[in-house]
Amino acid sequence: GESVGLHLPTLSVQEGDNSIINCAYSNSASDYFIWYKQESGKGPQFIIDIRSNMDKRQGQRVTVLLNKTVKHLSLQIAATQPGDSAVYFCAETFNNNDMRFGAGTRLTVKP
Amino acid sequence: EPEVTQTPSHQVTQMGQEVILRCVPISNHLYFYWYRQILGQKVEFLVSFYNNEISEKSEIFDDQFSVERPDGSNFTLKIRSTKLEDSAMYFCASNVDRGRDIQYFGAGTRLSVL
Repeated sequence: GESVGLHLPTLSVQEGDNSIINCAYSNSASDYFIWYKQESGKGPQFIIDIRSNMDKRQGQRVTVLLNKTVKHLSLQIAATQPGDSAVYFCAETFNNNDMRFGAGTRLTVKP
Repeated sequence: EPEVTQTPSHQVTQMGQEVILRCVPISNHLYFYWYRQILGQKVEFLVSFYNNEISEKSEIFDDQFSVERPDGSNFTLKIRSTKLEDSAMYFCASNVDRGRDIQYFGAGTRLSVL
C-alpha cells in the first residue's frame, strides 16, 4: 500500500513464506513501471519492470502484476529469505517522462 | 558490472555554505538524474539531464540547485546556500533511454546541514 510521511507500511513475513507488496499508482497514462529494493544505507536496486501492454511478468522468485483498471501494481516474492528484508518502492513513468516513486513498503523477514 | 559511483559518501556542511555532490554515471548511459530522499521518506525526483542540458526538473529543484557535466565522466549537483531542510540522501542515477529504461542508482551521498 501507500503511506504518508514517515510511517511506511510494513509487511512482516516468516522466512520461506511468499510476500505480496502492493502499490497504487496515480496516473492512468503511466506506461512503464519498475520495482526497486532499497536496503539500509544503499541506493535503490532494480528488481523487475513491466510495461503497460502486459499484466504479468516473472523473474527469478519475483512476479509483478499490473492491473490498469484499478491502477494497481503488486510485487510477489516467492520463498522469502532474510536477504529480502528491505524497503520496496514502485516507480512509474508515462509518455517517456521521468520516473516518480511511490512511498515504499518495509518488508521484514523473520527467521 | 558497471555501476554509478558517488562521492563523498557523507558530506557535513554549515547552513548557508555551498556543496557540490559528485557522480560518475555508467559510461555508455546518456540520461542522468538526481534524486533526494529525506530520512524515512520516499525517493523524490529532482532533475534529469541529457545532452548537456536539463530535461525536466521538479518543484524541489529551485534556484539554489544546479547541475553540470563538467567533463565526459562527472555529473554534479550543486546547492548554492544550504538550508537545514536540505539534509537528506542524494542519489544519482543514469540510464540509456529516458523514461522507458531501468535507471541505475549510486549508493548515495548523505548530506548533513548543521
